[in-house]
Amino acid sequence: LAKTTQPISMDSYEGQEVNITCSHNNIATNDYITWYQQFPSQGPRFIIQGYKTKVTNEVASLFIPADRKSSTLSLPRVSLSDTAVYYCLVVPGWGNMLTFGGGTRLMVKP
Amino acid sequence: GAVVSQHPSWVICKSGTSVKIECRSLDFQATTMFWYRQFPKQSLMLMATSNEGSKATYEQGVEKDKFLINHASLTLSTLTVTSAHPEDSSFYICSARNQTLAGVRNEQFFGPGTRLTVL
Repeated sequence: LAKTTQPISMDSYEGQEVNITCSHNNIATNDYITWYQQFPSQGPRFIIQGYKTKVTNEVASLFIPADRKSSTLSLPRVSLSDTAVYYCLVVPGWGNMLTFGGGTRLMVKP
Repeated sequence: GAVVSQHPSWVICKSGTSVKIECRSLDFQATTMFWYRQFPKQSLMLMATSNEGSKATYEQGVEKDKFLINHASLTLSTLTVTSAHPEDSSFYICSARNQTLAGVRNEQFFGPGTRLTVL
């Protein structure tokens, strides 16, 4: 399973764009990059998934360079309610396990 | 989407007692469910994979006799913490895959978690 590395914490202010980068140097050909969000005392929630280039949904964008060794989750115009832990996961093409790394604790300030 | 519920949301028990936590997929059938444990300010750690109609698969270091898992139906998995001790106090989260949903690889839907406190 590919290991992921992301910053332990980040601070931002309301209205700013936040970019969280994750490195996954050992990603395999069939792996997908997936991000989950977790609020305190709740289960994680799926945000976005991508394989390469750029993926955008109503919540976030995910940028993946050609070598796929890293990815960047972009949250546009964050609000206080975006304060949470964000986990970058590499999902294998086989099996069905998810392996959570340390995550990035995002604090959005007023 | 898909909804996963857990019951109870929190429980306090005395040391030595057993506690059962239920995980239900409310609007889909899940042949596989997962149980995680999360200590404060730490990440989720996979404890076991629960397979409907068969034995659970436990991760290395997780005692199968202490954490009993039963997946008797396609919508229900239970985790029983037997002879609980204070060090078992944690946040237990289950998840399930909705295999009928296409498009997202291995997307898992997580329950709201159960906070266990053992006195």
